[in-house]
Amino acid sequence: AQKITQTQPGMFVQEKEAVTLDCTYDTSDQSYGLFWYKQPSSGEMIFLIYQGSYDEQNATEGRYSLNFQKARKSANLVISASQLGDSAMYFCAMREPLTYNQGGKLIFGQGTELSVKP
Amino acid sequence: NAGVTQTPKFQVLKTGQSMTLQCAQDMNHEYMSWYRQDPGMGLRLIHYSVGAGITDQGEVPNGYNVSRSTTEDFPLRLLSAAPSQTSVYFCASSFSGGEGNNVLTFGAGSRLTVL
Repeated sequence: AQKITQTQPGMFVQEKEAVTLDCTYDTSDQSYGLFWYKQPSSGEMIFLIYQGSYDEQNATEGRYSLNFQKARKSANLVISASQLGDSAMYFCAMREPLTYNQGGKLIFGQGTELSVKP
Repeated sequence: NAGVTQTPKFQVLKTGQSMTLQCAQDMNHEYMSWYRQDPGMGLRLIHYSVGAGITDQGEVPNGYNVSRSTTEDFPLRLLSAAPSQTSVYFCASSFSGGEGNNVLTFGAGSRLTVL
């Protein structure tokens, strides 16, 4: 069965520094998708970045990049130049292979709470 | 464009009561789902639907019912509330099938307390 593991319950980073949030996954499928979501204290879930299993390049979205190491089954999120507004819970998620019956079905990790210090 | 709308935002129930969490989306998404979020456990899938008239169970379906009579609406029913169902509930939707990232769009969440 597919599984997502985030081993860092909490992280601290100094403002303007870069930080890496770890995510490992387990799947026997060849086709899958990996996502990162941000959940600020207000509670909404905000999509950050996506990586497809067949994508050769690491995904980037502004200050967010995904360090995808397929052989190690890891999909770490890198946030460059941290800002105070980056303080939030971050979730890694994996989508099972796309079939008609599964659509956008995601499995989530436990989350990492990031605190950015001024 | 409202996206995914959940109601109510907060609800307190007594053990044994029933209630329905409403979810509506206006993006013509085929796929809709319900998750619950508990501390230290991330989000766990309760039920999902790939289109009107089609629903299936997720990881933690016990104690919950769903139906999908229209593309837009996907209500979650608690049949007989238990304290273990105290949680934050999220409805989410996306396009279904095909390639691409099919990003899940989430509602704002509903915080349910069962006494």
